[in-house]
Amino acid sequence: ETGVTQTPRHLVMGMTNKKSLKCEQHLGHNAMYWYKQSAKKPLELMFVYNFKEQTENNSVPSRFSPECPNSSHLFLHLHTLQPEDSALYLCASSQERGEQFFGPGTRLTVL
Amino acid sequence: DAKTTQPPSMDCAEGRAANLPCNHSTISGNEYVYWYRQIHSQGPQYIIHGLKNNETNEMASLIITEDRKSSTLILPHATLRDTAVYYCIVRERWGNTPLVFGKGTRLSVIA
Repeated sequence: ETGVTQTPRHLVMGMTNKKSLKCEQHLGHNAMYWYKQSAKKPLELMFVYNFKEQTENNSVPSRFSPECPNSSHLFLHLHTLQPEDSALYLCASSQERGEQFFGPGTRLTVL
Repeated sequence: DAKTTQPPSMDCAEGRAANLPCNHSTISGNEYVYWYRQIHSQGPQYIIHGLKNNETNEMASLIITEDRKSSTLILPHATLRDTAVYYCIVRERWGNTPLVFGKGTRLSVIA
C-alpha cells in the first residue's frame, strides 16, 4: 500500500464510450502524474500537475483529457479511444524534492 | 529518452546477492541516481537513491562509482519475491521532475 489509490483496477470499453480513471493520493503531496505502459514498452509520461496546475503534456492525443480538481485527486477522462490505447495507466504523486509513489494502475482494454 | 543503460535481463539464485549494474555516463552534477522496481503488472516501487556516496536502506544498497558514471544496486539476499524489472533512472533531485523510464533489467530469482 503506497498511499496512492486508483479506480477502477480494470476497465473494458468500446471505442465510442466515455469513461474516466480516478487517482487519489493520501500522502499530502503537491504533484501528480499520469503514465502509460503499453505491452513490452517502457513507461511513458503523459501529464504532470504541480499544485493543481498542468505543467507538462507529453504530446498526448486530445482523446485523453486530464483533470486535477485539487492536490489529492487526479482524473483521466477517456473518449473515442482506439484499440492501441489499451495499456496499464499508472498514477503517481510526489512532494517537492521527494520520491514518486505509484498507484497499482488501471488495466484498460479498448475493444 | 532514458539516460541510463542496463542489461536487459539477469538471473540470481535465491539467497544469493543480486548485483544490478547501470551506466549513466552523461549524468550531470545535480542529478541523482534513483532505482525503482516493477513487479509484474503492478505500479513501480521506489527502492533507493543517491548522489555520490554509497547508500543503504532496508531494501538494498547502492554503490556509485567515484566518477558517478555507473552504479550498482545490490539486493543482499534475493528472494523469489524480488523477481521484477529494475529501473535505474537519473533525475534532478530538486523540483517535481518526472521520471524517465528505460527498459530496465528483468531480474529472475531462481529457487
